Amino acid sequence: DAKTTQPTSMDCAEGRAANLPCNHSTISGNEYVYWYRQIHSQGPQYIIHGLKNNETNEMASLIITEDRKSSTLILPHATLRDTAVYYCIVYTGTASKLTFGTGTRLQVTL
Amino acid sequence: NAGVTQTPKFRVLKTGQSMTLLCAQDMNHEYMYWYRQDPGMGLRLIHYSVGEGTTAKGEVPDGYNVSRLKKQNFLLGLESAAPSQTSVYFCASGPPGRRSTGNTIYFGEGSWLTVV
Repeated sequence: DAKTTQPTSMDCAEGRAANLPCNHSTISGNEYVYWYRQIHSQGPQYIIHGLKNNETNEMASLIITEDRKSSTLILPHATLRDTAVYYCIVYTGTASKLTFGTGTRLQVTL
Repeated sequence: NAGVTQTPKFRVLKTGQSMTLLCAQDMNHEYMYWYRQDPGMGLRLIHYSVGEGTTAKGEVPDGYNVSRLKKQNFLLGLESAAPSQTSVYFCASGPPGRRSTGNTIYFGEGSWLTVV
């Protein structure tokens, strides 16, 4: 599975959009990009995933570049409850084993 | 709406004691996983199972054993606990990945284990 690179931490003002980048330059054609988040020490929570096209759900939007070497998770109107560690994960789905890095710690402030 | 349930949620063990963590899922998922998370780090895969009666080693399997006798349950055992196994343990489950749609893995709320 491809390795991902994320910034260690980011800040965002409440009500503004939070844009979390992820680099995955070694991604292969059949690997999906997944985003999970972990609030405090709770279990990771699924946010969104995509293969080639941009995706949107009730939580977030995922923008994947045309060459698929990077992506951005967008939380359109961040709230204090979005403060968490966000993990970008790339995998093929073979046994669906998720490999977690250290993620991006997003701090949403007033 | 139980999802993935882990028991116990908290446990303190003495070095050398044994214990079993139980994970139960009610979503009829084929795949189940055990991860551990140490302070300031991401989750690391211990063992996983792709179906009833099957198990496989993950990234950090030493010191742990697992069993999947029933589809809905995945047990993680520590035969002789060591202080290095002090960690938060997360169970997860999911359906097989589909090339056309991918899949989603669901996590439990964690089990805090301290070995003294």
